[in-house]
Amino acid sequence: KAGVTQTPRYLIKTRGQQVTLSCSPISGHRSVSWYQQTPGQGLQFLFEYFSETQRNKGNFPGRFSGRQFSNSRSEMNVSTLELGDSALYLCASSPFRRVDNEQFFGPGTRLTVL
Amino acid sequence: TQLLEQSPQFLSIQEGENLTVYCNSSSVFSSLQWYRQEPGEGPVLLVTVVTGGEVKKLKRLTFQFGDARKDSSLHITAAQPGDTGLYLCAGAVLPSGNQFYFGTGTSLTVIP
Repeated sequence: KAGVTQTPRYLIKTRGQQVTLSCSPISGHRSVSWYQQTPGQGLQFLFEYFSETQRNKGNFPGRFSGRQFSNSRSEMNVSTLELGDSALYLCASSPFRRVDNEQFFGPGTRLTVL
Repeated sequence: TQLLEQSPQFLSIQEGENLTVYCNSSSVFSSLQWYRQEPGEGPVLLVTVVTGGEVKKLKRLTFQFGDARKDSSLHITAAQPGDTGLYLCAGAVLPSGNQFYFGTGTSLTVIP
């Protein structure tokens, strides 16, 4: 089975621009979660999608949004980029929504905002 | 504000030594997971513990979930260079499903 794939792997943007990141979960997985990883804050939960519906949302401003398609692929969008948005954005997929679920992470998209 | 605090933050040891990493919180978790992350990669799940007091062993790694489900520890016996990486604990709070709160991370370097 192919793992979680994220595109692009690297991205450079300037302040004020917007960006869209893509995540393809493992085949058959219906839950996709997004995380932001920075040296200062570590891994922080952005949101989770399951069956095309946002189920949970972390404490991030409204500039961060996402969606999930019927094939479980997910995108996240960040509008009006700020320098502090520079981070590794990780996507994780799971087959279900249980607390003992295994999350499978992709390699991440490294976003640099100049 | 981090819900889960890990200690130590950095650890550099010689091959063959033992070590313990701690993950502490004032919150109760319905489950706790440990991950290892290597540079340029996403975290990889090592273990999930769900019952207070639970102990799980994975070869040279021993994981323990505190009785009150607020803390956990990871013990590595006879560390090897291949154990080098960033170790992360992550807790799930019902009824949030797949919303996990990650710890601050412990960067481990095992010197041959």
